Amino acid sequence: QKEVEQNSGPLSVPEGAIASLNCTYSDRGSQSFFWYRQYSGKSPELIMFIYSNGDKEDGRFTAQLNKASQYVSLLIRDSQPSDSATYLCAVSWISSASKIIFGSGTRLSIRP
Amino acid sequence: DTEVTQTPKHLVMGMTNKKSLKCEQHMGHRAMYWYKQKAKKPPELMFVYSYEKLSINESVPSRFSPECPNSSLLNLHLHALQPEDSALYLCASSQVRGDGNSPLHFGNGTRLTVT
Repeated sequence: QKEVEQNSGPLSVPEGAIASLNCTYSDRGSQSFFWYRQYSGKSPELIMFIYSNGDKEDGRFTAQLNKASQYVSLLIRDSQPSDSATYLCAVSWISSASKIIFGSGTRLSIRP
Repeated sequence: DTEVTQTPKHLVMGMTNKKSLKCEQHMGHRAMYWYKQKAKKPPELMFVYSYEKLSINESVPSRFSPECPNSSLLNLHLHALQPEDSALYLCASSQVRGDGNSPLHFGNGTRLTVT
């Protein structure tokens, strides 16, 4: 099993709908979870991070963490064409807090 | 505007050349990273410096040589690279926290082409 897994997509969502992106991870005392957005040819930019079980909201974005099931998700409400990008899930583990590993990313396309 | 600055933006080098990538941050972060990213792939961790000391080397070939002269600067020295080393090289920084709850801040990257 890969350490961090994402569905590569593409995930196509109509404008104004909710986009749901999922990420599963191997359980080695995982502690911090990050969502990055990357536009083609650009560097990743941080959207949100979450440490505790439950939901964390920031504007149109909600991160959800379920440690028992070993998954973390990102919901994007009122999707806009500008949200079309690759979304990368990243995880750091207690055993090596400086080591942040990325999933393969999910390509999201918002259709007008 | 990114707070992590990488130079150059683009670099073309031959397999016998020696070149360096540079990264600078002024956010007071004490951890700095090099990632390599191939097209349509996620960033792949290469090196981590914590308090100017190399803390993680992900079994990177010796033709890549990192250097951290001070808390704000990070270099990646390149020598005798192969065409398959062509990629986007990303520098990142973060705070150092024992609980790991510190996200990465990326620079804009250097697009490297090895001919």
